[in-house]
Amino acid sequence: GEDVEQSLFLSVREGDSSVINCTYTDSSSTYLYWYKQEPGAGLQLLTYIFSNMDMKQDQRLTVLLNKKDKHLSLRIADTQTGDSAIYFCAESMDGGGTSYGKLTFGQGTILTVHP
Amino acid sequence: ETGVTQTPRHLVMGMTNKKSLKCEQHLGHNAMYWYKQSAKKPLELMFVYNFKEQTENNSVPSRFSPECPNSSHLFLHLHTLQPEDSALYLCASSQEVRSSGNTIYFGEGSWLTVV
Repeated sequence: GEDVEQSLFLSVREGDSSVINCTYTDSSSTYLYWYKQEPGAGLQLLTYIFSNMDMKQDQRLTVLLNKKDKHLSLRIADTQTGDSAIYFCAESMDGGGTSYGKLTFGQGTILTVHP
Repeated sequence: ETGVTQTPRHLVMGMTNKKSLKCEQHLGHNAMYWYKQSAKKPLELMFVYNFKEQTENNSVPSRFSPECPNSSHLFLHLHTLQPEDSALYLCASSQEVRSSGNTIYFGEGSWLTVV
């Protein structure tokens, strides 16, 4: 079955690096996503990684994928107070064209950045 | 400007009311989605439309009725809701309904409170 797990809370100091972890169970996952949700707002796509990649870097964001352990992480370098938000990990499966773009989300990690 | 616009942003309705949520996407996408985000559960997919045709109904109660008149607009008609239906309802869109490369973009959401 499909299950995506994240730790619920992470607290860091401004300027430190944040690492948000995610585990998933479905080995047929094709794409894995990180979304950010600020208070009162919808979901903002931060980055995504294709399942045949190990790493993807995009400015301050680094995504690491360990497909063997089904573990995904998002590292935010030089974390700022504006990075405080809920971060969602999500996976989509390749169902041979029948999965209809269905994303399965984790419950979200609340990142709090202290000055 | 996220490319996916939802109205209203906030809605309070009684259990006997009929109301509708509206979503419009300006991205030229062909697939649109309704997701529900409640306090105690991960994000849940409700409905999927591809080229105006409903392709998935994720066991959603009939008091939620979607409508997709064209590829740019999606509605969620609400009737006889329960207090436990209070949640953030997120609309999303993607280029098409296939999981490969199917980046999904979300709106800001409509906060619904049922009293």
